[in-house]
Amino acid sequence: AQSVAQPEDQVNVAEGNPLTVKCTYSVSGNPYLFWYVQYPNRGLQFLLKYITGDNLVKGSYGFEAEFNKSQTSFHLKKPSALVSDSALYFCAVRLSITGTASKLTFGTGTRLQVTL
Amino acid sequence: NAGVTQTPKFQVLKTGQSMTLQCAQDMNHNSMYWYRQDPGMGLRLIYYSASEGTTDKGEVPNGYNVSRLNKREFSLRLESAAPSQTSVYFCASSPRGAQSNQPQHFGDGTRLSIL
Repeated sequence: AQSVAQPEDQVNVAEGNPLTVKCTYSVSGNPYLFWYVQYPNRGLQFLLKYITGDNLVKGSYGFEAEFNKSQTSFHLKKPSALVSDSALYFCAVRLSITGTASKLTFGTGTRLQVTL
Repeated sequence: NAGVTQTPKFQVLKTGQSMTLQCAQDMNHNSMYWYRQDPGMGLRLIYYSASEGTTDKGEVPNGYNVSRLNKREFSLRLESAAPSQTSVYFCASSPRGAQSNQPQHFGDGTRLSIL
């Protein structure tokens, strides 16, 4: 079985400050990890992924995430938050088996609120 | 450059009515998925289709059926709608095989209310 925990329902940060959205995962094997963002009344948009290799991955809109195998975490970060980053963020995990359907397990989401 | 298209965008049903949600993708992806999104619960997988001609149950399949009509289209049917099925439904697609580590692409959702 695989699972994802996003321990914070909401994260509040002032514009210009760094932000972190936390994610921990559980999977019986090597993981593929993903971050998605959802704006109001829209579908999920892909931000970044960890497949293998460098533990620090960079994605869209200046976001990055650090894979930490020992802590089973994949926290999303950005050095300087923008008001336009305010949205709902989802972490997702799947087993790293190629050739199969990409059955993802999603966390419950973290709402990011960036204020002036 | 449509990606994943879902119809309708909004729908209100009465308990016991039936309905089919449509999904089509133009990215030549092999795999397609149906999720429901409920407050505080994230996205939960209802059914998926690893490739044309196959479908499998996800986490919450009860009360739903699916049809993979062809490589592009994957529909979700509610045979007898219940208020517990009020939700936002998302369709997604992804490559398979050597590209299966690529992300899923999502439609904009169908907002379904059942009275």
